[in-house]
Amino acid sequence: GDSVTQMEGPVTLSEEAFLTINCTYTATGYPSLFWYVQYPGEGLQLLLKATKADDKGSNKGFEATYRKETTSFHLEKGSVQVSDSAVYFCALSDQGGSEKLVFGKGMKLTVNP
Amino acid sequence: KAGVTQTPRYLIKTRGQQVTLSCSPISGHRSVSWYQQTPGQGLQFLFEYFSETQRNKGNFPGRFSGRQFSNSRSEMNVSTLELGDSALYLCASSLLSGTGLNEQFFGPGTRLTVL
Repeated sequence: GDSVTQMEGPVTLSEEAFLTINCTYTATGYPSLFWYVQYPGEGLQLLLKATKADDKGSNKGFEATYRKETTSFHLEKGSVQVSDSAVYFCALSDQGGSEKLVFGKGMKLTVNP
Repeated sequence: KAGVTQTPRYLIKTRGQQVTLSCSPISGHRSVSWYQQTPGQGLQFLFEYFSETQRNKGNFPGRFSGRQFSNSRSEMNVSTLELGDSALYLCASSLLSGTGLNEQFFGPGTRLTVL
């Protein structure tokens, strides 16, 4: 079945550091790819998405590019802030039949001032 | 527009009991999905409902069930609770179903503890 593998951390960075969170997927079809973020005590929020190969999703300084050839969707941010401290989840949806999301295990990021 | 609401936020039960969790989607959203979040297994899909019909079901035992009402509100039920059912149960709603393209909006979750 479909699956998502991502860096699990936890990771601690200093403010203004560069962030990369690796995510690779296995899917039989052509999935949509998502990054969700979970702040402490809250539900998940969509950070960005890409629905086809070579699409780049971006939001709040975060970017990720859908790479079909490497089945990857790595999340990057050039300069993290303390407010970016959260848990980040990579996910896929198979674009057919339902809205089921398959999630990676999540990575906890802490950004120190 | 109000977000996804889940009640109750916290619940403590003992083994063998049953529990019902409720989810009210964003107004106008017709698809509701449920997920179980645990430290060991992460986020796992339970089921999705659209227009009162179950569209998809995850790999959970029959003790886990759900339903959706005509106003799109959804409930999930867990019978004969086990210690391993302790988790954060998240509900998500989206406007449509079946495309895999829709943004899903998550509620804050119900924290279930089974003693």
